[in-house]
Amino acid sequence: DVKVTQSSRYLVKRTGEKVFLECVQDMDHENMFWYRQDPGLGLRLIYFSYDVKMKEKGDIPEGYSVSREKKERFSLILESASTNQTSMYLCASSSSGTNTDTQYFGPGTRLTVL
Amino acid sequence: DQQVKQNSPSLSVQEGRISILNCDYTNSMFDYFLWYKKYPAEGPTFLISISSIKDKNEDGRFTVFLNKSAKHLSLHIVPSQPGDSAVYFCAASETGANNLFFGTGTRLTVIP
Repeated sequence: DVKVTQSSRYLVKRTGEKVFLECVQDMDHENMFWYRQDPGLGLRLIYFSYDVKMKEKGDIPEGYSVSREKKERFSLILESASTNQTSMYLCASSSSGTNTDTQYFGPGTRLTVL
Repeated sequence: DQQVKQNSPSLSVQEGRISILNCDYTNSMFDYFLWYKKYPAEGPTFLISISSIKDKNEDGRFTVFLNKSAKHLSLHIVPSQPGDSAVYFCAASETGANNLFFGTGTRLTVIP
């Protein structure tokens, strides 16, 4: 079974803090993704990576950065957290470069920024 | 602008009856469509997909129908079971792109 794990299920941070969300997958997938899920807006892509040290912006990259130093790990960084970044963050991975391959999701991290 | 739309935020169905979840898209370049199911406190899990070269794909109780001219797809669940109660997301992609575009989700409740 594919397993995608995220470092925290729930996180509370203060405005201005630097926040790290970690994601690890155990299936040797090339591609990894970070989404946020907000009520009424569905899942929106923040960043994705198709190889180690490679990254591409998704639909809403502003205020975020990412790091992929190892194939199995993809980190999302909020440089200076703001209240409008309160959301559910979902990490996903897939095995090739096209979207005909299924993306497998982690359980999500619910981040609250006060 | 939302390129994939699920206009019904919720749906309630009696156990044993058919559930029909709908999805519309605006981008005519989309050629691959997926449905994901999400339980509370879990990540979405892949359910079923369809390529634009087909108009129907079936997997057990789940069938997805694609109407390219109407830019519409639907997910049929027959018969519906209480364990099907979840939020269902429709997603679409274009060959060569890495993005999946998701709809806003429909919460299905199957009443025993």
